Amino acid sequence: EVQLVESGGGLVQPGGSLRLSCAASGFAFSRYAMTWVRQAPGKGLEWVSHISGSGGSTYYADSVKGRFTISRDSSKTTLYLQMNSLRAEDTAVYYCAKDVRIAVADAFDIWGQGTRVTVSS
Amino acid sequence: EIVLTQSPGTLSLSPGERATLSCGTSQSVSSSYLAWYQQKPGQAPRLLIYDASSRATGIPDRFSGSGSGTDFTLTISRLEPEDSAVYYCHQYASSPRTFGQGTKVEIK
Repeated sequence: EVQLVESGGGLVQPGGSLRLSCAASGFAFSRYAMTWVRQAPGKGLEWVSHISGSGGSTYYADSVKGRFTISRDSSKTTLYLQMNSLRAEDTAVYYCAKDVRIAVADAFDIWGQGTRVTVSS
Repeated sequence: EIVLTQSPGTLSLSPGERATLSCGTSQSVSSSYLAWYQQKPGQAPRLLIYDASSRATGIPDRFSGSGSGTDFTLTISRLEPEDSAVYYCHQYASSPRTFGQGTKVEIK
């Protein structure tokens, strides 16, 4: 079964750091680009960051550029999101998602269940 | 950045009726790289349509997508009670990838 399981969310103070993980199984992880998408409470979906299958190319939303770092470990079939200098507006459920195809740009066919991040003092 | 604008904000229809959801983009979406997702409360989004008109695996054929350029449509031909959800369009033609603000479909 193709599956993504996020972990690492929690309550953190403004200015703090958190690392999210997304454990993948059931597919050739290293061949697929992966993405983080977040959803603030009661709001819509926001694309956060994307990484190519090789890990050689990364992309970020302007709202997180310079603060968040996406990475992946093919040996552990795990995707990461290192979040530094967290702000209240980063409060959201964070989802990891897999591209449909092995391509440069694609929609997301498999999503994790999400992990909640709350930034508050 | 390509801005996606969905209409209407809320759609209230009866079971068996046809639902038509629109997604307009601020720039032409190349290769029709547009997708539609369904999200129910407390759940992750579910891919319905990609490449504007291709149904994702396991999606019933009452869901269909159409459009190109800057105008795209998701049609649910015969609404069922379980179709009550928020629907988002998403462009992946250019970075940053963007989502519409969502259309809520309510079943009377």
